[in-house]
Amino acid sequence: KNQVEQSPQSLIILEGKNCTLQCNYTVSPFSNLRWYKQDTGRGPVSLTIMTFSENTKSNGRYTATLDADTKQSSLHITASQLSDSASYICVVSATAAGNKLTFGGGTRVLVKP
Amino acid sequence: SQTIHQWPATLVQPVGSPLSLECTVEGTSNPNLYWYRQAAGRGLQLLFYSVGIGQISSEVPQNLSASRPQDRQFILSSKKLLLSDSGFYLCAWSPTSYEQYFGPGTRLTVT
Repeated sequence: KNQVEQSPQSLIILEGKNCTLQCNYTVSPFSNLRWYKQDTGRGPVSLTIMTFSENTKSNGRYTATLDADTKQSSLHITASQLSDSASYICVVSATAAGNKLTFGGGTRVLVKP
Repeated sequence: SQTIHQWPATLVQPVGSPLSLECTVEGTSNPNLYWYRQAAGRGLQLLFYSVGIGQISSEVPQNLSASRPQDRQFILSSKKLLLSDSGFYLCAWSPTSYEQYFGPGTRLTVT
């Protein structure tokens, strides 16, 4: 069964600090992995997307890594800002018809001043 | 550029009443379309997806149904809502590549 597990479920960090979110998956056959940011009450917005051959990808202060051998990914947020407060969702796509995705439960990040 | 709309933004309905949520996409043709539900504090659950007009695949058994009457219109319906249908409903579209783009969502509260 395809699964995506994220940790921690939630975390609180001080503004300006860094943090790292983890994602483990068992989706097969693997196609790509993406990280989404979802503000409360809004739809998810894509931050990064990585295929099998990519190890790291950055989007501003967000840097995602992918280890396809261990089936792990991380999202690193540098110099956090109050606007980074949101849920971060790891999503893995299998090579299948219809481009269906497997979603992690998300990590809720709260940045405090 | 492509945009995706969902209507309504919020909805409060009594148990047993019907439901119709609408999703429309602009600026693209023949997209894959998806309906997701997100319960409070939970991850997204795929409900339906469609690869073309009249082609609907259901992912989970439930009292909801979906229809795609036009290329860029996706509708989520129910004849009789249950309390458990409350949640945040998201529509998404995908081009032939592997990215998915989400709409703003509809917050449904069944009372």
